[in-house]
Amino acid sequence: GAVVSQHPSWVICKSGTSVKIECRSLDFQATTMFWYRQFPKQSLMLMATSNEGSKATYEQGVEKDKFLINHASLTLSTLTVTSAHPEDSSFYICSARSRETEAFFGQGTRLTVV
Amino acid sequence: GQNIDQPTEMTATEGAIVQINCTYQTSGFNGLFWYQQHAGEAPTFLSYNVLDGLEEKGRFSSFLSRSKGYSYLLLKELQMKDSASYLCAVMDSNYQLIWGAGTKLIIKP
Repeated sequence: GAVVSQHPSWVICKSGTSVKIECRSLDFQATTMFWYRQFPKQSLMLMATSNEGSKATYEQGVEKDKFLINHASLTLSTLTVTSAHPEDSSFYICSARSRETEAFFGQGTRLTVV
Repeated sequence: GQNIDQPTEMTATEGAIVQINCTYQTSGFNGLFWYQQHAGEAPTFLSYNVLDGLEEKGRFSSFLSRSKGYSYLLLKELQMKDSASYLCAVMDSNYQLIWGAGTKLIIKP
Protein backbone atom coordinates (compact mmCIF):
# COMPACT_ATOMS: atom_id res chain seq x y z
CA GLY A 1 0.00 0.00 0.00
CA ALA A 2 0.87 3.64 -0.17
CA VAL A 3 3.48 4.89 2.27
CA VAL A 4 3.70 8.22 4.01
CA SER A 5 6.92 8.91 5.87
CA GLN A 6 7.05 11.48 8.63
CA HIS A 7 10.28 12.73 10.15
CA PRO A 8 11.41 13.04 12.85
CA SER A 9 9.44 10.57 14.92
CA TRP A 10 10.26 12.46 18.06
CA VAL A 11 11.99 15.71 18.89
CA ILE A 12 12.87 17.68 21.99
CA CYS A 13 13.54 21.37 21.63
CA LYS A 14 14.10 24.38 23.82
CA SER A 15 11.40 26.93 24.37
CA GLY A 16 11.62 29.74 21.82
CA THR A 17 13.19 27.68 19.06
CA SER A 18 11.53 26.45 15.87
CA VAL A 19 11.00 22.86 14.81
CA LYS A 20 10.32 21.54 11.33
CA ILE A 21 8.45 18.31 10.69
CA GLU A 22 8.52 16.70 7.26
CA CYS A 23 5.86 14.57 5.66
CA ARG A 24 6.66 12.69 2.46
CA SER A 25 4.54 10.50 0.25
CA LEU A 26 6.96 7.84 -0.94
CA ASP A 27 5.13 6.14 -3.77
CA PHE A 28 2.39 8.45 -4.89
CA GLN A 29 1.83 12.11 -5.61
CA ALA A 30 0.01 13.74 -2.75
CA THR A 31 -2.20 16.51 -4.03
CA THR A 32 -3.56 17.10 -0.54
CA MET A 33 -1.91 16.79 2.83
CA PHE A 34 -3.49 17.09 6.24
CA TRP A 35 -1.79 18.04 9.48
CA TYR A 36 -3.21 16.91 12.79
CA ARG A 37 -2.42 17.47 16.41
CA GLN A 38 -3.27 15.04 19.15
CA PHE A 39 -3.10 15.50 22.89
CA PRO A 40 -2.86 12.41 25.10
CA LYS A 41 -6.08 10.42 25.19
CA GLN A 42 -7.84 12.95 23.03
CA SER A 43 -9.05 12.94 19.49
CA LEU A 44 -7.01 13.77 16.47
CA MET A 45 -7.51 17.47 15.77
CA LEU A 46 -7.21 18.69 12.23
CA MET A 47 -4.96 21.73 12.08
CA ALA A 48 -4.82 22.49 8.40
CA THR A 49 -5.27 21.16 4.92
CA SER A 50 -2.76 21.94 2.22
CA ASN A 51 -3.00 21.49 -1.50
CA GLU A 52 0.16 21.35 -3.56
CA GLY A 53 1.25 24.74 -4.73
CA SER A 54 -1.28 26.74 -2.76
CA LYS A 55 -1.56 28.15 0.73
CA ALA A 56 -2.78 25.91 3.50
CA THR A 57 -6.29 26.22 4.84
CA TYR A 58 -6.19 26.43 8.61
CA GLU A 59 -8.91 25.26 10.94
CA GLN A 60 -10.49 27.74 13.28
CA GLY A 61 -8.34 28.47 16.30
CA VAL A 62 -5.06 27.36 14.70
CA GLU A 63 -2.49 30.14 14.48
CA LYS A 64 -1.16 30.22 10.94
CA ASP A 65 1.82 32.36 11.92
CA LYS A 66 2.84 29.85 14.55
CA PHE A 67 2.27 26.69 12.56
CA LEU A 68 3.77 27.28 9.14
CA ILE A 69 2.79 24.75 6.53
CA ASN A 70 4.50 24.44 3.19
CA HIS A 71 3.42 22.04 0.46
CA ALA A 72 5.86 22.94 -2.27
CA SER A 73 5.88 19.64 -4.12
CA LEU A 74 3.61 16.69 -4.72
CA THR A 75 5.62 14.51 -2.37
CA LEU A 76 6.60 16.81 0.48
CA SER A 77 4.84 18.96 3.02
CA THR A 78 6.43 20.55 6.07
CA LEU A 79 5.04 21.85 9.31
CA THR A 80 7.19 24.33 11.19
CA VAL A 81 6.31 25.12 14.77
CA THR A 82 7.77 28.57 15.32
CA SER A 83 8.86 29.96 18.69
CA ALA A 84 7.80 26.76 20.37
CA HIS A 85 6.50 26.80 23.92
CA PRO A 86 5.82 23.95 26.35
CA GLU A 87 2.11 24.08 25.54
CA ASP A 88 3.00 23.16 21.95
CA SER A 89 4.21 19.79 23.18
CA SER A 90 2.00 17.30 21.46
CA PHE A 91 1.78 14.53 18.91
CA TYR A 92 1.69 15.80 15.34
CA ILE A 93 0.63 13.59 12.48
CA CYS A 94 0.31 14.13 8.78
CA SER A 95 -1.69 12.31 6.20
CA ALA A 96 -1.57 12.52 2.46
CA ARG A 97 -3.76 11.57 -0.45
CA SER A 98 -3.90 11.90 -4.16
CA ARG A 99 -7.09 12.47 -6.15
CA GLU A 100 -7.41 8.73 -6.66
CA THR A 101 -6.61 7.47 -3.17
CA GLU A 102 -7.81 7.71 0.36
CA ALA A 103 -5.64 9.43 2.93
CA PHE A 104 -2.63 7.56 4.29
CA PHE A 105 -1.04 8.50 7.56
CA GLY A 106 2.50 9.14 8.66
CA GLN A 107 3.90 7.64 11.80
CA GLY A 108 3.54 10.84 13.76
CA THR A 109 6.00 13.12 15.53
CA ARG A 110 6.11 13.57 19.26
CA LEU A 111 7.24 17.08 20.08
CA THR A 112 8.41 17.96 23.56
CA VAL A 113 9.27 21.58 24.28
CA VAL A 114 11.34 22.14 27.40
CA GLY B 1 7.76 -6.63 13.20
CA GLN B 2 4.78 -4.54 13.99
CA ASN B 3 1.49 -5.09 12.26
CA ILE B 4 -2.18 -4.35 12.48
CA ASP B 5 -4.70 -6.69 10.86
CA GLN B 6 -8.28 -5.89 10.03
CA PRO B 7 -10.60 -7.20 7.32
CA THR B 8 -10.38 -5.47 3.97
CA GLU B 9 -14.09 -5.20 3.38
CA MET B 10 -17.38 -5.96 5.10
CA THR B 11 -20.99 -5.72 4.01
CA ALA B 12 -23.97 -5.20 6.29
CA THR B 13 -27.64 -4.27 6.06
CA GLU B 14 -29.17 -0.98 7.12
CA GLY B 15 -30.51 -1.22 10.66
CA ALA B 16 -28.33 -4.19 11.55
CA ILE B 17 -25.23 -4.51 13.75
CA VAL B 18 -21.69 -5.04 12.51
CA GLN B 19 -18.46 -5.78 14.33
CA ILE B 20 -15.10 -4.84 12.80
CA ASN B 21 -12.18 -6.69 14.33
CA CYS B 22 -8.59 -5.53 14.70
CA THR B 23 -5.64 -7.58 15.92
CA TYR B 24 -2.26 -6.09 16.57
CA GLN B 25 1.33 -6.92 17.34
CA THR B 26 3.36 -3.91 18.37
CA SER B 27 6.39 -3.06 20.43
CA GLY B 28 4.63 -1.66 23.44
CA PHE B 29 1.16 -0.25 23.72
CA ASN B 30 -0.07 3.23 24.51
CA GLY B 31 -3.61 3.00 23.29
CA LEU B 32 -5.72 1.92 20.35
CA PHE B 33 -7.71 4.26 18.15
CA TRP B 34 -10.55 3.82 15.72
CA TYR B 35 -11.17 6.32 12.94
CA GLN B 36 -13.87 6.67 10.33
CA GLN B 37 -13.00 7.90 6.88
CA HIS B 38 -15.45 8.69 4.12
CA ALA B 39 -14.12 8.54 0.58
CA GLY B 40 -12.18 11.66 -0.30
CA GLU B 41 -12.37 13.11 3.19
CA ALA B 42 -10.05 13.36 6.16
CA PRO B 43 -10.49 10.68 8.82
CA THR B 44 -12.45 11.48 11.94
CA PHE B 45 -11.81 10.15 15.39
CA LEU B 46 -14.25 7.60 16.79
CA SER B 47 -12.74 6.11 19.92
CA TYR B 48 -9.69 5.55 22.06
CA ASN B 49 -9.08 2.55 24.32
CA VAL B 50 -6.13 2.12 26.63
CA LEU B 51 -7.66 -0.15 29.28
CA ASP B 52 -9.38 -3.48 28.73
CA GLY B 53 -13.11 -3.40 28.29
CA LEU B 54 -15.88 -1.81 26.36
CA GLU B 55 -16.27 1.90 25.67
CA GLU B 56 -19.71 2.92 24.45
CA LYS B 57 -20.52 6.09 22.57
CA GLY B 58 -24.02 6.16 21.20
CA ARG B 59 -24.33 3.76 18.29
CA PHE B 60 -20.60 3.02 18.34
CA SER B 61 -18.73 0.91 20.87
CA SER B 62 -15.11 -0.16 21.01
CA PHE B 63 -13.65 -3.07 22.90
CA LEU B 64 -10.06 -3.81 23.86
CA SER B 65 -8.24 -6.88 25.17
CA ARG B 66 -4.57 -6.08 25.65
CA SER B 67 -3.64 -9.64 26.59
CA LYS B 68 -5.06 -10.87 23.29
CA GLY B 69 -3.87 -7.96 21.17
CA TYR B 70 -7.42 -7.55 20.00
CA SER B 71 -10.00 -4.84 19.56
CA TYR B 72 -13.31 -4.49 17.83
CA LEU B 73 -15.54 -1.63 16.77
CA LEU B 74 -19.24 -2.34 17.07
CA LEU B 75 -21.71 -0.32 15.06
CA LYS B 76 -25.40 -0.61 15.90
CA GLU B 77 -28.53 0.49 14.05
CA LEU B 78 -26.54 0.91 10.88
CA GLN B 79 -27.36 3.84 8.65
CA MET B 80 -26.42 4.37 5.03
CA LYS B 81 -24.12 7.21 6.08
CA ASP B 82 -22.03 4.67 8.02
CA SER B 83 -20.67 3.42 4.70
CA ALA B 84 -17.01 4.35 5.04
CA SER B 85 -13.60 2.96 5.82
CA TYR B 86 -12.78 2.23 9.45
CA LEU B 87 -9.17 2.49 10.51
CA CYS B 88 -7.60 0.83 13.52
CA ALA B 89 -4.37 2.34 14.85
CA VAL B 90 -2.16 1.45 17.80
CA MET B 91 0.26 3.79 19.54
CA ASP B 92 3.43 1.90 20.38
CA SER B 93 5.98 2.42 23.13
CA ASN B 94 7.66 5.20 21.13
CA TYR B 95 4.32 6.95 20.77
CA GLN B 96 4.24 6.22 17.07
CA LEU B 97 0.96 5.33 15.44
CA ILE B 98 0.89 1.99 13.66
CA TRP B 99 -2.00 1.96 11.23
CA GLY B 100 -4.13 -0.84 9.90
CA ALA B 101 -5.04 -0.77 6.22
CA GLY B 102 -8.65 -0.02 7.02
CA THR B 103 -11.92 -1.90 6.61
CA LYS B 104 -14.28 -0.72 3.93
CA LEU B 105 -17.82 -1.07 5.24
CA ILE B 106 -20.60 -1.27 2.68
CA ILE B 107 -24.16 -0.75 3.92
CA LYS B 108 -26.99 -2.12 1.82
CA PRO B 109 -30.64 -1.07 2.10
